Amino acid sequence: DADVTQTPRNRITKTGKRIMLECSQTKGHDRMYWYRQDPGLGLRLIYYSFDVKDINKGEISDGYSVSRQAQAKFSLSLESAIPNQTALYFCATSEPGQAETQYFGPGTRLLVL
Amino acid sequence: KNQVEQSPQSLIILEGKNCTLQCNYTVSPFSNLRWYKQDTGRGPVSLTIMTFSENTKSNGRYTATLDADTKQSSLHITASQLSDSASYICVVSSGYGNNRLAFGKGNQVVVIP
Repeated sequence: DADVTQTPRNRITKTGKRIMLECSQTKGHDRMYWYRQDPGLGLRLIYYSFDVKDINKGEISDGYSVSRQAQAKFSLSLESAIPNQTALYFCATSEPGQAETQYFGPGTRLLVL
Repeated sequence: KNQVEQSPQSLIILEGKNCTLQCNYTVSPFSNLRWYKQDTGRGPVSLTIMTFSENTKSNGRYTATLDADTKQSSLHITASQLSDSASYICVVSSGYGNNRLAFGKGNQVVVIP
């Protein structure tokens, strides 16, 4: 969805390096999420934020941190990247509701050597 | 543990033919079930969302069904097109908010001319 953008789209880094993935949205949604997707596995939730002052750990938060700089921006950091963090990372947004649809960004493909 | 199992893992179909994808879940309590389409190299896009009281939902050539008693859902693709080649992901929510989602691994569909 063009309303949710992620930068960079592709990144190669080395073990031990710090890296930041950024997500911006123009949908005006309060809720934002970071997921990772690995081959043969479903999407897994890393962190989520329901508003600017709210940060929550997801299923697999170890080794990651996030920052919600504004309603429209949600960044994911890997403080010291390791090879098993090689994956496809997706940012998503939504508005609260019983069946709230998530809108995903195009993804960031990260390779940690 | 809440689980979502999808079958078949992958299938190849001829253009113009129909196909049906299956999703079985053990998520409890149940709030809603979604089907997403994920094109290669892109983020998932919502196709349908069904709550407990809905047993069918259509979106163009895509029709989803839900049997909450047997905890099964299906996604039927009618008159397949080459653009239907994608991964179809079943997602089940166990409560309010997208922090309680269980993702299936996806059905990989390849449509050939």
